Amino acid sequence: VQLVESGGGLVQPGGSLRLFCSASGFTFSNYAMHWVRQAPGKGLEYVSGISGNEGSTDYADSVKGRFTISRDNSKNTLYLQMSSLKTEDTALYYCARADSSGWYAPFDFWGQGTLVTVSS
Amino acid sequence: DIVMTQSPDSLAVSLGERATINCKSSQSVFYSSNNKNYLTWYQQKPGQPPKMVIYWASTRESGVPDRFSGSGSGTDFTLTISSLQAEDVAVYYCQQYYSTPYTFGQGTKLEIK
Repeated sequence: VQLVESGGGLVQPGGSLRLFCSASGFTFSNYAMHWVRQAPGKGLEYVSGISGNEGSTDYADSVKGRFTISRDNSKNTLYLQMSSLKTEDTALYYCARADSSGWYAPFDFWGQGTLVTVSS
Repeated sequence: DIVMTQSPDSLAVSLGERATINCKSSQSVFYSSNNKNYLTWYQQKPGQPPKMVIYWASTRESGVPDRFSGSGSGTDFTLTISSLQAEDVAVYYCQQYYSTPYTFGQGTKLEIK
């Protein structure tokens, strides 16, 4: 199992960014996927999740209406479209695999993360 | 949202001694229909992503040493390391996956005394 995030970088407040998570080593469509972030020196914060068949999504209140999670099972890729970015969105963004195609399962594999910095 | 509160925030234990970390949820994460607690523990070492060590509150992940154990039910949970080794130095997080949005505890930093 391998999860590789990319797409992070420096963006100004109010800007947009799209994160990618490329998955390999497992049947991607059989698993729900999630984004979790970690601000510098801080703890883990759940951001968003999507079921294996793309049927349902979920968001933390802190990003609802600004972030959109999606996936392309034909490309084994998870996405996070981030808009109206705020300085408090600065963090290392991890993608994580849930041990199920649906909800209510632990996160059994994590990527190394991609750093998003929101600053003027 | 379910609030997860860990105690203590940091802990220093001598090599070979027992380390105990507590996690309390603001509401029960026990689902009676399948008799499972929707609670997991992660270990995060510096510069690394989190690693799942315990799931369903007490099931050890494959490859995790048996000195790690999880216990508890409902709203109160414990991660125990029976004999601390140097490689166990890390921050430990509990997480509930009973309801969305899934929430984490604030973390407990475990160090060697």
